[in-house]
Amino acid sequence: GQQLNQSPQSMFIQEGEDVSMNCTSSSIFNTWLWYKQDPGEGPVLLIALYKAGELTSNGRLTAQFGITRKDSFLNISASIPSDVGIYFCAGPRGSTLGRLYFGRGTQLTVWP
Amino acid sequence: DAGITQSPRYKITETGRQVTLMCHQTWSHSYMFWYRQDLGHGLRLIYYSAAADITDKGEVSDGYVVSRSKTENFPLTLESATRSQTSVYFCASSESPSGTGHNSPLHFGNGTRLTVT
Repeated sequence: GQQLNQSPQSMFIQEGEDVSMNCTSSSIFNTWLWYKQDPGEGPVLLIALYKAGELTSNGRLTAQFGITRKDSFLNISASIPSDVGIYFCAGPRGSTLGRLYFGRGTQLTVWP
Repeated sequence: DAGITQSPRYKITETGRQVTLMCHQTWSHSYMFWYRQDLGHGLRLIYYSAAADITDKGEVSDGYVVSRSKTENFPLTLESATRSQTSVYFCASSESPSGTGHNSPLHFGNGTRLTVT
């Protein structure tokens, strides 16, 4: 079943606004990943987090690995129209080969 | 062109038919994966492969078969398609087993949209 709870499910914002989304799990994760999927394409890795408490930025994107290792946050500052897409959190359960679980995604719409 | 390509991009088939989705990567990555994407479920792992001739089931493998005779190809076959297999299918490859390395993430293809009528 689904291992990661991602919220919100969708967001409608105006260009220039900041965005925040999060992902939680009932289990501990050793790594948190954030992917973005543009319409009609496959997901692309945005940020990878490897240590509890870690805060990492990639341009206007900032992600944090929660202290409890059961959650992660992604923030987008000063959104622009090309930020439109689906954002997924993902993480592996232990060291099992191929067991990369994905959240259900947050659909982001940015109005100009 | 280098990368990972999936074919066909769109496919409509009838219930009970066998259909094969193709995936080809040019990076010589050892690890390859098949996911399906459904509204409300995100991405779910169907099958994965560590190398040629080494495959294993993911969380939603019933009704699917894979093969990997060559490192660069990882076809997914629906033996007898059902309506519940209508979905968007993504193939991915990686240098690492779990695709979690920042220098070795999962690289996804652009997907195959399959409709079973």
